[in-house]
Amino acid sequence: SQKIEQNSEALNIQEGKTATLTCNYTNYSPAYLQWYRQDPGRGPVFLLLIRENEKEKRKERLKVTFDTTLKQSLFHITASQPADSATYLCALDTGRRALTFGSGTRLQVQP
Amino acid sequence: DAMVIQNPRYQVTQFGKPVTLSCSQTLNHNVMYWYQQKSSQAPKLLFHYYDKDFNNEADTPDNFQSRRPNTSFCFLDIRSPGLGDAAMYLCATSGRGSSTDTQYFGPGTRLTVL
Repeated sequence: SQKIEQNSEALNIQEGKTATLTCNYTNYSPAYLQWYRQDPGRGPVFLLLIRENEKEKRKERLKVTFDTTLKQSLFHITASQPADSATYLCALDTGRRALTFGSGTRLQVQP
Repeated sequence: DAMVIQNPRYQVTQFGKPVTLSCSQTLNHNVMYWYQQKSSQAPKLLFHYYDKDFNNEADTPDNFQSRRPNTSFCFLDIRSPGLGDAAMYLCATSGRGSSTDTQYFGPGTRLTVL
């Protein structure tokens, strides 16, 4: 069955450092992968979309990579700030007008 | 601002007592989704509407039903809530439902079952 794995342990880093979050998937061949941010008690908010033929995508301090051979996406936040503290979810298209979400990784940026 | 609105934000119901959650959107999007999210878990898709076309996920319990009377509104009905149905319920929309569409989420309704 299709499976998405994100590190369930929280990632704690110091302000100013680069945070790197991992999304691994199995039994999928997605054409697209999306990353969302979710704050406690709120709905997810879209951040970035990357296509299978794109190796890397950037938006301000955010960078996403997509390796279809490894079946992995990495999400980087450079010069992290306490305001970046949140849970980050990856989501894969299922080809049925729907996304399947991972359970997310909680990032905590310490001042 | 165009947005996805969910009411109520918090809903308390009793075991077995039917409850309806509502979602409205001002984005004029074709697709509306309902997700269930439990603590520290992935949002789990229950069903979605593409216009009036209803699409149920295979593992969505029969206890969960949905209505979309028009483009702007979508409702989630839980006919006989059990303790295991306590969760955050998220409504989302997307423009055309294509793979490159992003999804716009509402703030969610936190359901408590006593």
